[in-house]
Amino acid sequence: QVQLVQSGTEVKKPGASVKVTCKTSGYSFTNYAMQWVRQDPGQRLEWMGWINGGSGVTKYSKKFQGRVTITRDTSASTAYMELSSLTSEDTAVYYCARAAAGSYDEWGQGTLVTVSS
Amino acid sequence: QSVLTQPPSVSGAPGQRVTISCTGTSSNIGAGYDVHWYQQTPGSAPKLLIYLTDNRPSGVSDRFSGYKSATSASLAISWLQTEDDAFYYCQSYDSSLSGSVFGGGTKLTVL
Repeated sequence: QVQLVQSGTEVKKPGASVKVTCKTSGYSFTNYAMQWVRQDPGQRLEWMGWINGGSGVTKYSKKFQGRVTITRDTSASTAYMELSSLTSEDTAVYYCARAAAGSYDEWGQGTLVTVSS
Repeated sequence: QSVLTQPPSVSGAPGQRVTISCTGTSSNIGAGYDVHWYQQTPGSAPKLLIYLTDNRPSGVSDRFSGYKSATSASLAISWLQTEDDAFYYCQSYDSSLSGSVFGGGTKLTVL
């Protein structure tokens, strides 16, 4: 079955960077795009960007442009999301989600990132 | 402030029917972009409930249905069950933002 398994909880200081891993299995990684979405403490969902699993082409939300980098390793069927210059406003649960027909049909379990001094 | 507007909460008794609205603008739902719906229970990731406005993934109960008109969409849940007690989110694409947008989420309480 399709699985997206994310890396564990992170605690970072303001100004630092965080890199979240999303390891996939059960489907052809290069046939789908992978999206990254975060959920803030108020439960709001926010799209951050995506990567085409085959070509590696990326698209980022204007809000995160310049601070977020999404990459992938096709040999490991894994996607990565790195967010830099962290502030307390970046404290959230970060999800990877497989894109299908504009929707997100499979999700990782989420990675809690806490930014605190 | 979310781009798509949902009511913060709705409620209903077991067996009743409820609807959750999702209001957008001319750059997202009004532009003809599809709407998708997700269900989220505490401590879990969102789960796709409705895709492409009115389609259910395999395994999703036919008690869930989606509709769209003009600049808004709705999720209808019939024959409410206690297990439907959860958060529900709508999602679409926005051409002015060039990316996906979500509603703020609606907490459904099954009384």
